Amino acid sequence: AQRVTQPEKLLSVFKGAPVELKCNYSYSGSPELFWYVQYSRQRLQLLLRHISRESIKGFTADLNKGETSFHLKKPFAQEEDSAMYYCALLDTGRRALTFGSGTRLQVQP
Amino acid sequence: GAGVSQSPRYKVTKRGQDVALRCDPISGHVSLYWYRQALGQGPEFLTYFNYEAQQDKSGLPNDRFSAERPEGSISTLTIQRTEQRDSAMYRCASSLVAGGPGINEQFFGPGTRLTVL
Repeated sequence: AQRVTQPEKLLSVFKGAPVELKCNYSYSGSPELFWYVQYSRQRLQLLLRHISRESIKGFTADLNKGETSFHLKKPFAQEEDSAMYYCALLDTGRRALTFGSGTRLQVQP
Repeated sequence: GAGVSQSPRYKVTKRGQDVALRCDPISGHVSLYWYRQALGQGPEFLTYFNYEAQQDKSGLPNDRFSAERPEGSISTLTIQRTEQRDSAMYRCASSLVAGGPGINEQFFGPGTRLTVL
């Protein structure tokens, strides 16, 4: 069965510090992975997907198939990055997302 | 245009009552998904539709839960004889097309927070 693990419930950093939100997955096929973000009082929204190889708001995530990881990184955190972050894996068969339990990022001034 | 909308935003009900949660997807989106999110957890898949056809309902926890999308647009998730363990955030999402890699962005609604007393 597929699974997404986010080992940290809370990550607290100071403004300007590097950030790495960890995500590990298990999936038998070729994975399609996403990071979703939920800012305070807003809906869940897509931050980035591995297939696009894009950088959004300074965040990047590289799929490492050997380590089955898709960690989210940003070199210099900003206070507005404070939010809940969810890593998600697409089940290409049922077309549904499997989410991790989320990591709350707190960026302190 | 407008995003995914859900109603009601909050629902408090007594144990044993039936509830109906509504989702209005983005116009033209083929696929519609229902997820449930317990406190401190990520969303968990319940069911999904392509147009009006329910493609997968394997995530529905038991037969008290049902969903429909009769005209391929608005969907209703119904929970019969609610129990306290049904309390959660219920999230709806829609996506433009049903398949293919790289085009599966799911747009989420604001969610309905259900509390069963």
